[in-house]
Amino acid sequence: SQELEQSPQSLIVQEGKNLTINCTSSKTLYGLYWYKQKYGEGLIFLMMLQKGGEEKSHEKITAKLDEKKQQSSLHITASQPSHAGIYLCGADKGTGGTSYGKLTFGQGTILTVHP
Amino acid sequence: NAGVMQNPRHLVRRRGQEARLRCSPMKGHSHVYWYRQLPEEGLKFMVYLQKENIIDESGMPKERFSAEFPKEGPSILRIQQVVRGDSAAYFCASSHRTGLINEKLFFGSGTQLSVL
Repeated sequence: SQELEQSPQSLIVQEGKNLTINCTSSKTLYGLYWYKQKYGEGLIFLMMLQKGGEEKSHEKITAKLDEKKQQSSLHITASQPSHAGIYLCGADKGTGGTSYGKLTFGQGTILTVHP
Repeated sequence: NAGVMQNPRHLVRRRGQEARLRCSPMKGHSHVYWYRQLPEEGLKFMVYLQKENIIDESGMPKERFSAEFPKEGPSILRIQQVVRGDSAAYFCASSHRTGLINEKLFFGSGTQLSVL
């Protein structure tokens, strides 16, 4: 089965600093999702990547999928306290380009941003 | 994730009771997924349903757990004779359709089940 490893497990940064969270797969990723979860709440969809080398940005968050489609990174520029939460990467278990909605998730990265 | 409605937000049950968790997908979505987040564990897939059909229940415990998504009304995750190990956050997600690369999965706020 596909395993996703996230690093680091937790991250504490000062407001205004940049940071990167990584997600590594043991198998080729056919659909890689990034979600944010606040404690006690649901998951907020951030971005989805499919193609090798793909990069997407939304506000101060940029996500990339490497050419081999086995590693993704999430980069936050000039972090703010509102960025604090748990970041989860999820991989679609569908293969060959079909989206199945059955995701395998990494264990999450806890981000704390100090004002 | 606005639009996927789960209730209740919090559910307390004593051992041996039944728990019913409800999920109304986003408007226009006919695919529903249930996930479970246990303490100290990641988010795990349980079951995938379409209207009146269970498509994939490979992540569902074989006993005491069942799920349905009737033609009318919300999807229901039912846990019979709950045990303390069932205490977890249960999340529902929905999508418009599968089989396409660009489908996004939207999650609800979850139901926190506590078994006393």
